[in-house]
Amino acid sequence: DAMVIQNPRYQVTQFGKPVTLSCSQTLNHNVMYWYQQKSSQAPKLLFHYYDKDFNNEADTPDNFQSRRPNTSFCFLDIRSPGLGDAAMYLCATSRDLGGGYTFGSGTRLTVV
Amino acid sequence: QKEVEQNSGPLSVPEGAIASLNCTYSDRGSQSFFWYRQYSGKSPELIMFIYSNGDKEDGRFTAQLNKASQYVSLLIRDSQPSDSATYLCAVKGASGTYKYIFGTGTRLKVLA
Repeated sequence: DAMVIQNPRYQVTQFGKPVTLSCSQTLNHNVMYWYQQKSSQAPKLLFHYYDKDFNNEADTPDNFQSRRPNTSFCFLDIRSPGLGDAAMYLCATSRDLGGGYTFGSGTRLTVV
Repeated sequence: QKEVEQNSGPLSVPEGAIASLNCTYSDRGSQSFFWYRQYSGKSPELIMFIYSNGDKEDGRFTAQLNKASQYVSLLIRDSQPSDSATYLCAVKGASGTYKYIFGTGTRLKVLA
């Protein structure tokens, strides 16, 4: 089945230690998004790729970076995680800008 | 600041009843409206989308859109305990914008 896969499902990292979250998709969608969702809050868009074009949200901290080496994969790098970065990180895809999203299962990040 | 507002709930309904979930938005130019279901600890799942004023039905779900009043609602008929989840409303702005604004969600509890 076509899907969006995130790894790992759970990630524990130390304060300040770089961490990378991954997302892959078999849908061949043009757009890949990264969202951060904290408990009882709305998902917050961090950035998205339309094909190879990277679009950063104005309020996304510099601590967050992303890479999309090919159509199928997208990575979220957190250079120096702080306690406030503990959250669920959601990868989503859509065929084009404005279409409905397909979300991955999410990665729950804990910072200790 | 463009906003999407939802009552956080919980909204409790007995099994078999109709659950009515509401969402209001501030951007009058918004064009696309989505409902996502999110089980606790899981990622959101798209269940309905609507673009035009009026009703759109899909199985037990009906989305209703009233652009003049700037609200969108989701009705769930014959509610089941498995419908217990948080329902997120997402709104896409005017043509040319790509960004969705998510509401914080309404938690629905269907009582057996």
